[in-house]
Amino acid sequence: QKEVEQDPGPLSVPEGAIVSLNCTYSNSAFQYFMWYRQYSRKGPELLMYTYSSGNKEDGRFTAQVDKSSKYISLFIRDSQPSDSATYLCAMNNGGATNKLIFGTGTLLAVQP
Amino acid sequence: GAVVSQHPSRVICKSGTSVKIECRSLDFQATTMFWYRQFPKQSLMLMATSNEGSKATYEQGVEKDKFLINHASLTLSTLTVTSAHPEDSSFYICSASHFGNTIYFGEGSWLTVV
Repeated sequence: QKEVEQDPGPLSVPEGAIVSLNCTYSNSAFQYFMWYRQYSRKGPELLMYTYSSGNKEDGRFTAQVDKSSKYISLFIRDSQPSDSATYLCAMNNGGATNKLIFGTGTLLAVQP
Repeated sequence: GAVVSQHPSRVICKSGTSVKIECRSLDFQATTMFWYRQFPKQSLMLMATSNEGSKATYEQGVEKDKFLINHASLTLSTLTVTSAHPEDSSFYICSASHFGNTIYFGEGSWLTVV
């Protein structure tokens, strides 16, 4: 079993839809959770960063962490064609030298 | 947000030669940088952790003599692919940690070995 599981998609939605992206993990020691957006042939861009359980909102993006269920989510409201990209969840135990454990990424296509 | 810069963004080299890729943290000091490799339609594969002033820590299966990593300063880490072969052609990405766990990635470097 992988440490982090993520549905690879592809996920196709119409413009304006609410998108839900999810990851599950097995290591209860993970405390820091991140979502990255990666456009084709580019490096990943940090979207959201959350510590421990709870919600965090930034514009159209909301990140949720449920440590009791080992489940994290990223919600995108009013999705736009420019949101079409691969979304990667990532997490680690803490500390600057701790390496990130990534999900496989979900490919999202927002249709105009 | 913090910026991590990679150079070159694209490089083509002949088989058997060496090529160097630079990773710079532009507005912060990074004691730790990470180097990844990414194959088409796959997630990032961690190659090594680069620590300023000390030897890099390589992941299992990564040849340290082939992928030389140097982290000479708090803002610069380099990856040198030695004696490159066509199978080394890939997308190489670095990342740097900023104030704890906020980790930013560079734009990536496309290496093509011909």
